[in-house]
Amino acid sequence: GAGVSQTPSNKVTEKGKYVELRCDPISGHTALYWYRQSLGQGPEFLIYFQGTGAADDSGLPNDRFFAVRPEGSVSTLKIQRTERGDSAVYLCASSPDLAGGPQGEQFFGPGTRLTVL
Amino acid sequence: DQQVKQNSPSLSVQEGRISILNCDYTNSMFDYFLWYKKYPAEGPTFLISISSIKDKNEDGRFTVFLNKSAKHLSLHIVPSQPGDSAVYFCAASAGSNDYKLSFGAGTTVTVRA
Repeated sequence: GAGVSQTPSNKVTEKGKYVELRCDPISGHTALYWYRQSLGQGPEFLIYFQGTGAADDSGLPNDRFFAVRPEGSVSTLKIQRTERGDSAVYLCASSPDLAGGPQGEQFFGPGTRLTVL
Repeated sequence: DQQVKQNSPSLSVQEGRISILNCDYTNSMFDYFLWYKKYPAEGPTFLISISSIKDKNEDGRFTVFLNKSAKHLSLHIVPSQPGDSAVYFCAASAGSNDYKLSFGAGTTVTVRA
């Protein structure tokens, strides 16, 4: 079956612009996670959803970052007034239910590479 | 601050030999540990995991060892194959109600023919 998909695969924008990154989870997966991977680092947690609600947004770096999942499936990560430091690969993952430990694994998409000039 | 550390950014090993990847953590609340493998332009894929109540978990060519007192875990791949060439991430989670993974910076493994 289809895995997690993310669009666009690459996004180049100018400092100060607004961007939206989309994630389509595996069909039927109720939990969805966003991570950010900067160059030379491992993925860093941003937010996760159980259904439509954000269960934990403690990883969002500041109020320029916001994510939604209005129908409990597709999610959009929104970044306002982008800064050069926002340049990274943004990874989305999903799981049948909340997972990340003995509850099961998170399935990752290929990521969106965001470059802020 | 980095709560999960992989101090070796790269590892080169000959095909057929053992690959040993190391990972250290600082958060004593972590009780579940995972290894993910990542190829270029793809997302990380789950490889193997271990609960803090165990000290070893084996799955085919892959074995993870956990030393809780030292806050250290390692991944052994034996025998190493060319298809194992990838970036390996160590990750950890804390508690049955914590679903966010904390990742190390990764180790790039190159298996030489």
